[in-house]
Amino acid sequence: GIQVEQSPPDLILQEGANSTLRCNFSDSVNNLQWFHQNPWGQLINLFYIPSGTKQNGRLSATTVATERYSLLYISSSQTTDSGVYFCAVDPPRSLGTGTASKLTFGTGTRLQVTL
Amino acid sequence: KAGVTQTPRYLIKTRGQQVTLSCSPISGHRSVSWYQQTPGQGLQFLFEYFSETQRNKGNFPGRFSGRQFSNSRSEMNVSTLELGDSALYLCASSPRASGGGGANVLTFGAGSRLTVL
Repeated sequence: GIQVEQSPPDLILQEGANSTLRCNFSDSVNNLQWFHQNPWGQLINLFYIPSGTKQNGRLSATTVATERYSLLYISSSQTTDSGVYFCAVDPPRSLGTGTASKLTFGTGTRLQVTL
Repeated sequence: KAGVTQTPRYLIKTRGQQVTLSCSPISGHRSVSWYQQTPGQGLQFLFEYFSETQRNKGNFPGRFSGRQFSNSRSEMNVSTLELGDSALYLCASSPRASGGGGANVLTFGAGSRLTVL
């Protein structure tokens, strides 16, 4: 199946700093989402971005599908940004083929933002 | 509109018991999928349901089962609980089944945290 690797595994930032999180995947994808898992365990959808660039406030993401990677940018980080960031992908397939339909998650980047 | 609702949020069981978890998707969403999260294995796909049909199942033993009702609500059941089943179980809903073309954003619930003693 498709492999998803995220880097770095851990990141400590001072409040106000910027950061870039990376997601590499081993096959073409139909769906790529970035999630933030808060301390209570809920996965919050940040971006649906199988290709291109999107921005939402201090966060932005870019996926270069031809080179099989995605980047999540966090600018002017705040303590509330702390948590684990996951990249998840779903390769394209035809409906009705009976093949697996699922998101494959990376191992995540654990971010800690300190004062 | 209301998000994905999972119940119960926390539960404690003992080995050998069974458990049923419930997931109510976002109104209008017809696809529900389940994931297990553990510190050792990370987030792993359990199964996906669409229009009351299981579309596929992850690599889990037969003790893990699920179903979807006509209103798209879903339940998953784990029988003969083992210590290793302790995990956060996450449910996600999406407008349609994954794998086809076009955007299909998954929205997750807050999860059900199961502890097996």
